[in-house]
Amino acid sequence: DTAVSQTPKYLVTQMGNDKSIKCEQNLGHDTMYWYKQDSKKFLKIMFSYNNKELIINETVPNRFSPKSPDKAHLNLHINSLELGDSAVYFCASSQAHGAGGNEQYFGPGTRLTVT
Amino acid sequence: GENVEQHPSTLSVQEGDSAVIKCTYSDSASNYFPWYKQELGKGPQLIIDIRSNVGEKKDQRIAVTLNKTAKHFSLHITETQPEDSAVYFCAAKPSLCGNNRLAFGKGNQVVVIP
Repeated sequence: DTAVSQTPKYLVTQMGNDKSIKCEQNLGHDTMYWYKQDSKKFLKIMFSYNNKELIINETVPNRFSPKSPDKAHLNLHINSLELGDSAVYFCASSQAHGAGGNEQYFGPGTRLTVT
Repeated sequence: GENVEQHPSTLSVQEGDSAVIKCTYSDSASNYFPWYKQELGKGPQLIIDIRSNVGEKKDQRIAVTLNKTAKHFSLHITETQPEDSAVYFCAAKPSLCGNNRLAFGKGNQVVVIP
């Protein structure tokens, strides 16, 4: 019954590997996001999708590729993982419009460790 | 773009005392200001928010005040309890930004000492 869920919660992998993180929301929201939180706790937006269309694409290496099969899911695929990719990745969602359109709800996070 | 700054970076308070965290923002067009609480090992949780047409909002022990002229907003926690210990993030949303992007501050570590 978790509103925004992510899998896996922990991911440990070696440099050069390719991995995916999955996100699902059951809030009926149209917009979903990926954030990266580094060791200093800074939250940096990476991508945003509105109804399966990319609307925010920050300066992120193109090794990162988001995919939204439907508006309830936003997955993040990372190719050729590097040590600097180690961080906690958060998925979030919000309504696209209306009174609740600004409120973002976050998932529990995926802690990625690249060795 | 919007720039949000939070002060202080770390705040320690005795249980039962009040805690105040202040954020400043740069874009006068920003119209939505949420506060998030992040406990250890969890995702940020929206705890209170305020829109630019309101100066203050309260929800039990927490309140947020907004000063649009000075471009700052503050989170007030009264009668602090150990479970209030967490990292708190403020954010601002520019009204001219149609993609629901939030600009986050760098977070404040609040420690409530029993």
